[in-house]
Amino acid sequence: LAKTTQPISMDSYEGQEVNITCSHNNIATNDYITWYQQFPSQGPRFIIQGYKTKVTNEVASLFIPADRKSSTLSLPRVSLSDTAVYYCLVGDVKNTGTASKLTFGTGTRLQVTL
Amino acid sequence: DTGVSQNPRHKITKRGQNVTFRCDPISEHNRLYWYRQTLGQGPEFLTYFQNEAQLEKSRLLSDRFSAERPKGSFSTLEIQRTEQGDSAMYLCASSPGRINTEAFFGQGTRLTVV
Repeated sequence: LAKTTQPISMDSYEGQEVNITCSHNNIATNDYITWYQQFPSQGPRFIIQGYKTKVTNEVASLFIPADRKSSTLSLPRVSLSDTAVYYCLVGDVKNTGTASKLTFGTGTRLQVTL
Repeated sequence: DTGVSQNPRHKITKRGQNVTFRCDPISEHNRLYWYRQTLGQGPEFLTYFQNEAQLEKSRLLSDRFSAERPKGSFSTLEIQRTEQGDSAMYLCASSPGRINTEAFFGQGTRLTVV
């Protein structure tokens, strides 16, 4: 499984755009990149998933360069409620066999203040 | 509420006792996962079901742990002869399957072994 590296923590002010970059140098051809958000005492919540280039939904954007060795989660105009831990995961999520589990790292703790 | 449901939300038990947790996945989700999360760490994979078949078990899942998913619906995770090191949040997640692989997590069961 491809290992991911992301910053331990980040701070931002409310209203700013936040970009969290994840490195995954050993990403495999069939691997997808998925981001989850977790608030204290809750289970993780899916944010976005992509394979290449750019994916956008109502919550965030995911930028993946051509070599796919890194990815950037972009949160536009964060609010206090975006304070959470953000996990970058890489894996062959389409595989119904043994590679289908999610492997979480320690994540990035984002603190948003006024 | 049609999300993933876990019961109980909290469990305090004495060392050496057996405990059982229940997970009710989202209806018609054929994939079900169990994870364990300790403070400051990301969730760690324990085991995975595709319908009623248990396809993978982590080495973290010692012989004191057993999981079942009879009839491919709800799942139970049992821990026998609990140890203090078993204290953690136990998370259950489900996903529709191969096309849509977004995993939906429950709020978890927090186990405290005293």
